[in-house]
Amino acid sequence: DGGITQSPKYLFRKEGQNVTLSCEQNLNHDAMYWYRQDPGQGLRLIYYSQIVNDFQKGDIAEGYSVSREKKESFPLTVTSAQKNPTAFYLCASSHRVQDEQFFGPGTRLTVL
Amino acid sequence: GDSVTQMEGPVTLSEEAFLTINCTYTATGYPSLFWYVQYPGEGLQLLLKATKADDKGSNKGFEATYRKETTSFHLEKGSVQVSDSAVYFCALKRNNAGNMLTFGGGTRLMVKP
Repeated sequence: DGGITQSPKYLFRKEGQNVTLSCEQNLNHDAMYWYRQDPGQGLRLIYYSQIVNDFQKGDIAEGYSVSREKKESFPLTVTSAQKNPTAFYLCASSHRVQDEQFFGPGTRLTVL
Repeated sequence: GDSVTQMEGPVTLSEEAFLTINCTYTATGYPSLFWYVQYPGEGLQLLLKATKADDKGSNKGFEATYRKETTSFHLEKGSVQVSDSAVYFCALKRNNAGNMLTFGGGTRLMVKP
């Protein structure tokens, strides 16, 4: 089955630790995205990548980093510089930047 | 900048009731408009979309019409079911600005049997 997988579904970390969230897609999509969702708020774009080895900052990139070494993978690292990391993180992909985005199931990160 | 405003929830309805979730937007040009649905514990799914004024998007009994004169894209369903309980997000994408979606805050719908 084609789709987007995010793991783990729930993640707990201590304050001050970096943590990496996984996002994998087997849809052969060029573009991938990371969003953050907070309670009662819409999604906000963290980073996006139009093609392998390229990525751009979104609206709230501070405290986050990404890499795009393979077409199917777009991991997000939440660094200790991110002041409020507890949130629901959603990964998405699209065939090209101008095409419809498909979303993964999300990872809920809780920093204790 | 672009923005999307949705009615605050939660919206609580009885099964078979009529649903309206209001959505208005601010954007330059002529954006495409979308409704996404998020079921509990899951990611977002595209529910319907409209790409130009007066277009009507429809799917699974839900409808929304792109109203340029009122900058609105209200979501409607004639008869809701318990299985429609979810969070609904209105979003826009300016067609000349890549594929960056701007989301509203979401509206939680709870349907009681």
